[in-house]
Amino acid sequence: RKEVEQDPGPFNVPEGATVAFNCTYSNSASQSFFWYRQDCRKEPKLLMSVYSSGNEDGRFTAQLNRASQYISLLIRDSKLSDSATYLCVVNIFLTGNQFYFGTGTSLTVIP
Amino acid sequence: NAGVTQTPKFRILKIGQSMTLQCAQDMNHNYMYWYRQDPGMGLKLIYYSVGAGITDKGEVPNGYNVSRSTTEDFPLRLELAAPSQTSVYFCASGASYEQYFGPGTRLTVT
Repeated sequence: RKEVEQDPGPFNVPEGATVAFNCTYSNSASQSFFWYRQDCRKEPKLLMSVYSSGNEDGRFTAQLNRASQYISLLIRDSKLSDSATYLCVVNIFLTGNQFYFGTGTSLTVIP
Repeated sequence: NAGVTQTPKFRILKIGQSMTLQCAQDMNHNYMYWYRQDPGMGLKLIYYSVGAGITDKGEVPNGYNVSRSTTEDFPLRLELAAPSQTSVYFCASGASYEQYFGPGTRLTVT
């Protein structure tokens, strides 16, 4: 069973649309949660951490549901520059500070 | 501020050859990581280090070795390269839970 699972997409949305991605994790000992963004053939870059109370950064909102073991990312007012792959990442400190990455969800924002 | 640097950017190896992928960071981070990313797959942790002199295995350590003699450097050694090691290798560093990635090394083993 994979530690982190994401819908690979692709999601093709028009500019200005709202899009949401979900991610589930299997280990209830998971402690920290993140969304990373990866552009084609580039390195991943941290988009935002995900806190239990939910958090917002501009057009991006992240939510964590520990009971159901899922994480979500909402992007409002999509821009062309949001086109990328979004990676869900989980940290399990009990196993030695290991990070587990989902396979990513591909987003293309269309003019 | 260079961040995390990796060399080389590209490399083609023949089966059975060995090589070392270099990684350096100038942010004084204690944590450093090596990942591999196969096409259409998520990143898989190979090895990580919580500080100089301390390393530990990740999910997919077989066929690789690491060392951490300084805070700045975390080289990854491939012994007896195999086609299954064809991948993009990313090094990352962090002070706690956030990770900053280098640009990657694209390795092909033929």
